[in-house]
Amino acid sequence: QQQVKQSPQSLIVQKGGIPIINCAYENTAFDYFPWYQQFPGKGPALLIAIRPDVSEKKEGRFTISFNKSAKQFSLHIMDSQPGDSATYFCAASRQGGSEKLVFGKGTKLTVNP
Amino acid sequence: DAGITQSPRHKVTETGTPVTLRCHQTENHRYMYWYRQDPGHGLRLIHYSYGVKDTDKGEVSDGYSVSRSKTEDFLLTLESATSSQTSVYFCAISRTGGNYGYTFGSGTRLTVV
Repeated sequence: QQQVKQSPQSLIVQKGGIPIINCAYENTAFDYFPWYQQFPGKGPALLIAIRPDVSEKKEGRFTISFNKSAKQFSLHIMDSQPGDSATYFCAASRQGGSEKLVFGKGTKLTVNP
Repeated sequence: DAGITQSPRHKVTETGTPVTLRCHQTENHRYMYWYRQDPGHGLRLIHYSYGVKDTDKGEVSDGYSVSRSKTEDFLLTLESATSSQTSVYFCAISRTGGNYGYTFGSGTRLTVV
């Protein structure tokens, strides 16, 4: 029940395409769903996050879509650029200080010029 | 990353030797975490801390120990390094726990030969 399943494992798109990365969870107590972006040689960095009171959140070219009934959430990258090439991790957490983020296994995105 | 520093950044050590990795934060955050990152496995939690001298095990804690004698420092020790512990290690901090996200350090690449 603590797992977050992320797909695909890797993704290759052309510049300007719209890559979509999907995550599914089982624990209905999760109420915080962040996405992290990691460039080679760097630590993951918080990209965008959503809570289940909204179905969509946009920040620049990045959008999270959230489907509470299906227990799924996804990351869309509009007008993708080669600089978006990175590994993306979804995660989920419950409320409470002792609660920890549960991470998906990551998606390696390559955006070709 | 601002506010969190990992040292060393790279280390090569021999099988059977003890190794200590350091995570130092200047944010006065209560929660600190150690993860390892390996291809195909994503981020796996080793140990975490919810205050000075308060630590607990994560999902892959065997062969690792931690200590937190000051708010700002969280040490990860491999008592007797093995080749299976070759990995990239990340420290993360959080003010309020998983429900508001983590800030990650830049990582330590450890090679055990």
